[in-house]
Amino acid sequence: EPEVTQTPSHQVTQMGQEVILRCVPISNHLYFYWYRQILGQKVEFLVSFYNNEISEKSEIFDDQFSVERPDGSNFTLKIRSTKLEDSAMYFCATLGVTYEQYFGPGTRLTVT
Amino acid sequence: AQKITQTQPGMFVQEKEAVTLDCTYDTSDQSYGLFWYKQPSSGEMIFLIYQGSYDEQNATEGRYSLNFQKARKSANLVISASQLGDSAMYFCAMREGQTGGFKTIFGAGTRLFVKA
Repeated sequence: EPEVTQTPSHQVTQMGQEVILRCVPISNHLYFYWYRQILGQKVEFLVSFYNNEISEKSEIFDDQFSVERPDGSNFTLKIRSTKLEDSAMYFCATLGVTYEQYFGPGTRLTVT
Repeated sequence: AQKITQTQPGMFVQEKEAVTLDCTYDTSDQSYGLFWYKQPSSGEMIFLIYQGSYDEQNATEGRYSLNFQKARKSANLVISASQLGDSAMYFCAMREGQTGGFKTIFGAGTRLFVKA
């Protein structure tokens, strides 16, 4: 069964550093998403991406965040200058033709 | 306004008994999807069950069933014959329609504790 993969599974970084979280979507899916879950809280929508551009973003997704699909396969989330409050689990998700959303296993980001 | 409401922050159930986790939702879309996910302490999001807004039958997947009451906008998860391994956080979620960019909105979750 096809699946969404994410790397790394855990990233530790220092405050102010840039991080890039990577996702490999399911190949024939067209919509891609990033979600965030701060420890103990609910999952929050960050951004959706369709046809090589952002289709919607939440108020969390400020200028520190960016997404791109650099090589037609990977889908990346970049945080330019990490803050302590960026520590969270980040989930990539893709939308299938039956409109079911498939989630990756997540990347746990720890900012120290 | 909350689009997904889970009113039970925590629930206890005796092993081998059934338990119902509540979820209500709010949308003006005609086409939407409802999901339940399980999140164990390891953190990954495990898909359990899906109900489309046009599906007339309640969805079932093994020990999981979704009690879909469209007029009441509720989508409760029923777990039959609870097992110790069912102890986890459970999230109800709604995939919005095209007007919402098909994104998924999550509830706050219910933590389920299964007692031996």
